[in-house]
Amino acid sequence: AQTVTQSQPEMSVQEAETVTLSCTYDTSESDYYLFWYKQPPSRQMILVIRQEAYKQQNATENRFSVNFQKAAKSFSLKISDSQLGDAAMYFCAYRNTGNQFYFGTGTSLTVIP
Amino acid sequence: EAGVAQSPRYKIIEKRQSVAFWCNPISGHATLYWYQQILGQGPKLLIQFQNNGVVDDSQLPKDRFSAERLKGVDSTLKIQPAKLEDSAVYLCASSLGILYNEQFFGPGTRLTVL
Repeated sequence: AQTVTQSQPEMSVQEAETVTLSCTYDTSESDYYLFWYKQPPSRQMILVIRQEAYKQQNATENRFSVNFQKAAKSFSLKISDSQLGDAAMYFCAYRNTGNQFYFGTGTSLTVIP
Repeated sequence: EAGVAQSPRYKIIEKRQSVAFWCNPISGHATLYWYQQILGQGPKLLIQFQNNGVVDDSQLPKDRFSAERLKGVDSTLKIQPAKLEDSAVYLCASSLGILYNEQFFGPGTRLTVL
């Protein structure tokens, strides 16, 4: 079974600064999808960004970008110009070709004013 | 566009009791997922439906958990009888279809088993 590892249970960042959240995964497949989800306190989980494994170009969504290293099975999320609203739990997720989703244990991000 | 609806939002029961959760996905979404999120952990997929058929229920504890999506729209997840370790948030999510990557999550139902 695929596993997703987030080794940083908690991270903090100063407002307007940049922070990188780490994620590694284990798979024997070559075709899959990776995601970062944001779960604010007591609010619904929302998709932040996704990456198709067959694409070499790193995905970018406004202030959010990823560093996808397929050989290393690494998928980190970079948040630039951090805002107070970015404070949340962030989950890395993997989807295999069978459409099964696997989530990491999450990283709690605190944004310091 | 209305989001994924779930009810109840909170439920407290005693062990060995039964409980049911309801989910109404976004209109037109063929794929529906139920996840269990234990405190401090990431969501774990329990069951996935494509319309009214089960695609994957490999991680559903079938001795006590059941789920249905009879008309291919809303779904119910039942636990009977509940155990202490079932305390968790139960998340429902939907997507347009299996080939579509984006899942839309509901607010979840927080279950406490005493």
